[in-house]
Amino acid sequence: DIQLTQSPSFLSASVGDRVTITCRASQGISSYLAWYQQKPGKAPKLLIYAASTLQSGVPSRFSGSGSGTEFTLTISSLQPEDFATYYCHQNTFGQGTKLEIK
Amino acid sequence: QVQLVQSGAEVKKPGASVKVSCKASGYTFTSYDINWVRQATGQGLEWMGWMNPNSGNTGYAQKFQGRVTMTRNTSISTAYMELSSLRSEDTAVYYCAREENIVVVVAATRWIERYGMDVWGQGTTVTVSS
Repeated sequence: DIQLTQSPSFLSASVGDRVTITCRASQGISSYLAWYQQKPGKAPKLLIYAASTLQSGVPSRFSGSGSGTEFTLTISSLQPEDFATYYCHQNTFGQGTKLEIK
Repeated sequence: QVQLVQSGAEVKKPGASVKVSCKASGYTFTSYDINWVRQATGQGLEWMGWMNPNSGNTGYAQKFQGRVTMTRNTSISTAYMELSSLRSEDTAVYYCAREENIVVVVAATRWIERYGMDVWGQGTTVTVSS
């Protein structure tokens, strides 16, 4: 089975920072990788699909890139509402990256 | 509006089965796959599998093969996920989520374009306890 490993697992950052989360696949996968944001007690929210396509209604400070075995989610300028847990997904989820306020 | 509404919380004994429903509204039920995802308290998301409501085709994560069954009733736009032989580790919130997947065929090449899980149910808590 393909495994997705996210790094880092925990990230402490400040409002206005630029942050990048990486998702590495144990073997090459298609470009149909998605990124989700989840806040406590809520269902996940789709941010990015097909590695780099922004879901409708998602702020443009979110972007995705990558192919093969390495994919990234970048938030260009953190806002208070962005502090959450992020997951990558293609038939399996990464373990998640918890983004906390520094 | 587009929504998925799941059935209520369940408490089951070890060894029993649970069947969670997911009723779709506001869109054409057969045009989107339904995925099932679970999350134990304080843990990450775990993808269980998918079902195509139009064909009834399914695909299950290896971990759940033989224990999970995903079905649907198109007349009432409802998907179901049944998990059998429950154990305490199955205690979790179970979510359904729709995903648009389009099969593309160009010449002799076929692939599936995936658009991500864009609408989620509210979650169903399943507790397995003796």
